[in-house]
Amino acid sequence: EAQVTQNPRYLITVTGKKLTVTCSQNMNHEYMSWYRQDPGLGLRQIYYSMNVEVTDKGDVPEGYKVSRKEKRNFPLILESPSPNQTSLYFCASSPRQGMTDTQYFGPGTRLTVL
Amino acid sequence: AQTVTQSQPEMSVQEAETVTLSCTYDTSENNYYLFWYKQPPSRQMILVIRQEAYKQQNATENRFSVNFQKAAKSFSLKISDSQLGDTAMYFCALDNYGQNFVFGPGTRLSVLP
Repeated sequence: EAQVTQNPRYLITVTGKKLTVTCSQNMNHEYMSWYRQDPGLGLRQIYYSMNVEVTDKGDVPEGYKVSRKEKRNFPLILESPSPNQTSLYFCASSPRQGMTDTQYFGPGTRLTVL
Repeated sequence: AQTVTQSQPEMSVQEAETVTLSCTYDTSENNYYLFWYKQPPSRQMILVIRQEAYKQQNATENRFSVNFQKAAKSFSLKISDSQLGDTAMYFCALDNYGQNFVFGPGTRLSVLP
């Protein structure tokens, strides 16, 4: 089944404790992206990657890191989480082939930073 | 910078009736995509409909259609014959080729029995 998977789905942590949220897609998509969703703000892009070893900042990159060492994986790293990073996080991927730019979303990760 | 605005935070509609959700956007690009995504209580993001900016014809998908006005930078979503399962948050989104994706703040739609 073609899908985007994220782990963990739920995470409660404390300020300053490094964490990684994994994202993997099995559709051989070139483009991957991370978003955070907050009430009244919609989804805001954190980082995106056009291909392996190519990453760019989105609208809200502060406090986050990403890497794209393989095509299928795009982990999101919070080196020192803070309470303002409590949010719902989505990973997404897209073929980026010609006209097919629809993004396919993972199920979301609910992160709480105490 | 690209922006997407949805001026209706919440809307409601009676089952079987028609409702239109508004979206306006701003971009300096001539080529781009516009999307409507639906997010039901399960939180899953589901693509509803997509429009390529170079196409003048409005996209349709079964009960869902758009009114794309490129000059006015407007992209509204019409839902016909509303069903209870249409209850969800609806997000308008803009995608510039090779650049980042921008979402609007969302409209919460409630379909009433």
